[in-house]
Amino acid sequence: AQKVTQAQTEISVVEKEDVTLDCVYETRDTTYYLFWYKQPPSGELVFLIRRNSFDEQNEISGRYSWNFQKSTSSFNFTITASQVVDSAVYFCALRDNQGGKLIFGQGTELSVKP
Amino acid sequence: GAVVSQHPSRVICKSGTSVKIECRSLDFQATTMFWYRQFPKQSLMLMATSNEGSKATYEQGVEKDKFLINHASLTLSTLTVTSAHPEDSSFYICSARLGGELFFGEGSRLTVL
Repeated sequence: AQKVTQAQTEISVVEKEDVTLDCVYETRDTTYYLFWYKQPPSGELVFLIRRNSFDEQNEISGRYSWNFQKSTSSFNFTITASQVVDSAVYFCALRDNQGGKLIFGQGTELSVKP
Repeated sequence: GAVVSQHPSRVICKSGTSVKIECRSLDFQATTMFWYRQFPKQSLMLMATSNEGSKATYEQGVEKDKFLINHASLTLSTLTVTSAHPEDSSFYICSARLGGELFFGEGSRLTVL
């Protein structure tokens, strides 16, 4: 069965601190996709990144970076120099190669205080 | 980019009534759409997969007679919560598939009094 675990329920940091959100997944598929979404208080899901299982290169996009480690089945997300606008719930998700449905982790609520 | 729109964004209804939520793909055709439900402070749980022209596929534990899904066209899927009760109060969000990508609607917040 597929499963995504985000062990950190809530994280609170002070502005300008770096913060890493953890994501561990389980799947028997050899081809799969991993995602990160941001959900601000308004509720809509904001797509951040998609990574397929064959691409283990780390990615950086501005203050955001992602570390994909197949050996530990982890896909962690780091925000550098956090800002108050980063406050939101962040979801890690897993999708197989066929059906298209996403399996979401429990979410991590990030609070960045000024 | 691909846009998915949900309507209404918020709805309040009395217990026992039925509520319909629409999910539209505005600039693309979607043969497959997905309906998720999110209770406060919880994750998004897949309710069902909506397929154009055929019956929806429901996840285990989701009552198909209570949550009616109709995907009558390539741009519209509807979710009807029948005989709603306070425990059905939740955030309902749809997504539509275009190629290998999923695009999400803004979500619909249902409050049942």
